Amino acid sequence: EPEVTQTPSHQVTQMGQEVILRCVPISNHLYFYWYRQILGQKVEFLVSFYNNEISEKSEIFDDQFSVERPDGSNFTLKIRSTKLEDSAMYFCASSGQTSGGRNEQFFGPGTRLTVL
Amino acid sequence: QQQVKQSPQSLIVQKGGISIINCAYENTAFDYFPWYQQFPGKGPALLIAIRPDVSEKKEGRFTISFNKSAKQFSLHIMDSQPGDSATYFCAASNNAGNMLTFGGGTRLMVKP
Repeated sequence: EPEVTQTPSHQVTQMGQEVILRCVPISNHLYFYWYRQILGQKVEFLVSFYNNEISEKSEIFDDQFSVERPDGSNFTLKIRSTKLEDSAMYFCASSGQTSGGRNEQFFGPGTRLTVL
Repeated sequence: QQQVKQSPQSLIVQKGGISIINCAYENTAFDYFPWYQQFPGKGPALLIAIRPDVSEKKEGRFTISFNKSAKQFSLHIMDSQPGDSATYFCAASNNAGNMLTFGGGTRLMVKP
């Protein structure tokens, strides 16, 4: 069964450093998303991406964040200058294009980001 | 108005019992209501979803009940099993946007 994959599984970084989280969405999906989950809290939407541009973003997704689809398979989230409060589990998700299928988002296993 | 409120925060059920988790929303533009199951260290996995044109959807032991006028929906897990022990999230979205708004989660423990 196709699945969303994410690397690395755990990233530790120093405050102020840049990090790039990587995702490989399901191959025939066209919509891509990033969510985050601070430990013990709910899953929060960050950004959605379609046709090589951001289609929607939340208040959390400020100028420190950016997304990119550098090739036909990878989808990345970059945090330019990490803060302690960026420590969270980051989930990538993807969904298809068919009617009804567009909303069925499939999540990856997540990358745990720890900012020291 | 974008919030989805979920209750209870935690739930303990005996094996074979019925687990019931409730969610409420305010945004009347929401028209897609999925439930996700999350095991520790894993990403959320889609369990079952409903659109507001039906009041109930059943898949195996899992049933969503939807009350459009009350803006509430619930997940019922029949014959709960220890393997169902996980965190369950309700969510909502609309066609105009594609972001999912999640509820706060319910940690379910099914005792053998």
